[in-house]
Amino acid sequence: DIQLTQSPSFLSASVGDRVTITCRASQGIRSYLAWYQQKPGKAPKLLIYVASTLQSGVPSRFSGSGSGTEFTLTISSLQPEDFATYYCQQLNSYPLTFGGGTKVEIK
Amino acid sequence: EVRLVESGGGLVQPGGSLRLSCAASGFTFSSYWMNWVRQAPGKGLEWVANINQDGSEKHYVDSVKGRFTISRDNAESSIYLQMNSLRAEDTAVFYCASGGSQSGFAYWGQGALVTVSS
Repeated sequence: DIQLTQSPSFLSASVGDRVTITCRASQGIRSYLAWYQQKPGKAPKLLIYVASTLQSGVPSRFSGSGSGTEFTLTISSLQPEDFATYYCQQLNSYPLTFGGGTKVEIK
Repeated sequence: EVRLVESGGGLVQPGGSLRLSCAASGFTFSSYWMNWVRQAPGKGLEWVANINQDGSEKHYVDSVKGRFTISRDNAESSIYLQMNSLRAEDTAVFYCASGGSQSGFAYWGQGALVTVSS
C-alpha cells in the first residue's frame, strides 16, 4: 500500500499568512494526487486534483504542485474560512489512501 | 444542483449487518465512478470501496474484503454498501463520493453514522 505522510500535522497561522503543507508518498504516484479541506462535522471538499488543477469554484489562493513522491498545497494568503483540516489523497493505485491530515488553526 | 444523500446508518451489534444507500441527483450518475469513504470518530479519512460506471469493476480496502460489498443501480442513481460481520472498529461516519483518478472526489454526501456496539 502507498503511504502518504503529511507535514506538519498541526499548523498555527495568522490571517494573511502564506501556508504550505507537504505530502510525501512512499512510492511514485505520478500526478494522481488530490487535496481536500474538511471542517468539523462536514464532508470533505475537493480543492485540487491531479496535483495542480484547481477544482471549479475554489479560490485561486489555493494552489498545488509536485509529482512523483513529493507534493505541496499552498494557501497564498490565509483567510478566516480556511481554518480547517487538510488531507491529501493518492489515486494512482489501490487501495486508494489518504494522508493523516494537517490541522490549520488560528494563531 | 448535485446531491448525494446517504441513508441506512445506525446502531448494530458486533457481528451484525447493515446496508447503506446513497442516492444521487444533479449529475449523470452512470458516467462516474462512485466511492465509499469512512471516518472513525476523531480520526482521518479512509477510502473503503469503489465501483466503476457499469458495476463491472470493484475495489476494496483489505480490512473490509470479504465482509463489505459495493453495488450500484444506475436506473435508480444509487449506490449501496452491504456490510456484514461488523466489528467495533467499523464504527465511523460513512460518506459516498463521486469521482476517480482523473478528477478526485468532487462530490460528497453528508455522511451516515454507523455505530457497532453491544
